[in-house]
Amino acid sequence: AQKITQTQPGMFVQEKEAVTLDCTYDTSDQSYGLFWYKQPSSGEMIFLIYQGSYDEQNATEGRYSLNFQKARKSANLVISASQLGDSAMYFCAMREGSGGGKLIFGQGTELSVKP
Amino acid sequence: EAGVAQSPRYKIIEKRQSVAFWCNPISGHATLYWYQQILGQGPKLLIQFQNNGVVDDSQLPKDRFSAERLKGVDSTLKIQPAKLEDSAVYLCASSSGGPRDSYEQYFGPGTRLTVT
Repeated sequence: AQKITQTQPGMFVQEKEAVTLDCTYDTSDQSYGLFWYKQPSSGEMIFLIYQGSYDEQNATEGRYSLNFQKARKSANLVISASQLGDSAMYFCAMREGSGGGKLIFGQGTELSVKP
Repeated sequence: EAGVAQSPRYKIIEKRQSVAFWCNPISGHATLYWYQQILGQGPKLLIQFQNNGVVDDSQLPKDRFSAERLKGVDSTLKIQPAKLEDSAVYLCASSSGGPRDSYEQYFGPGTRLTVT
């Protein structure tokens, strides 16, 4: 069965520094997708970045990059040059297959950026 | 383009009462999802529609929860009767759901339900 594990309930980072949020996953499928979402205190889920299981290069979107290590089944999110507005909950999620299936979410990591 | 719309944003009811939530997905999105997010947890899928057909409702408590998407656009999620453990944020999401679907799901602002 699919499972997403985020082992860091809370993280602190100094403004302008980089931070890595951990995510490991478990699946028996060869084809799957990995997502990271940001959830500010206002509650909406904001898509950040996507990595397909067959993508050879790590995904990047602006200050966000996904460190994909397939053999270790990890998909860590790296945020470079942290900003105060990055303070939020961050969720890692997985979808099996290449269709529009459901997302399985981890428990989330609460990131706090200190000035 | 307009995002996913949900209403109401907040709802407080007493246990055993009924409640309904409404969702309007992004125009043209065939796939619609309802997730339940209990405080301190990640969202969990309740039901997924492809157009007006149900794709996955395996985690929907069918004795009290129901959902419909009659014309393949708007959707309503109903709880009757509500229990204390139904207190959560109910998130609606949509995606274009194409065959090569690396596409992200776009989420609405959610409805925060409190059952007292």
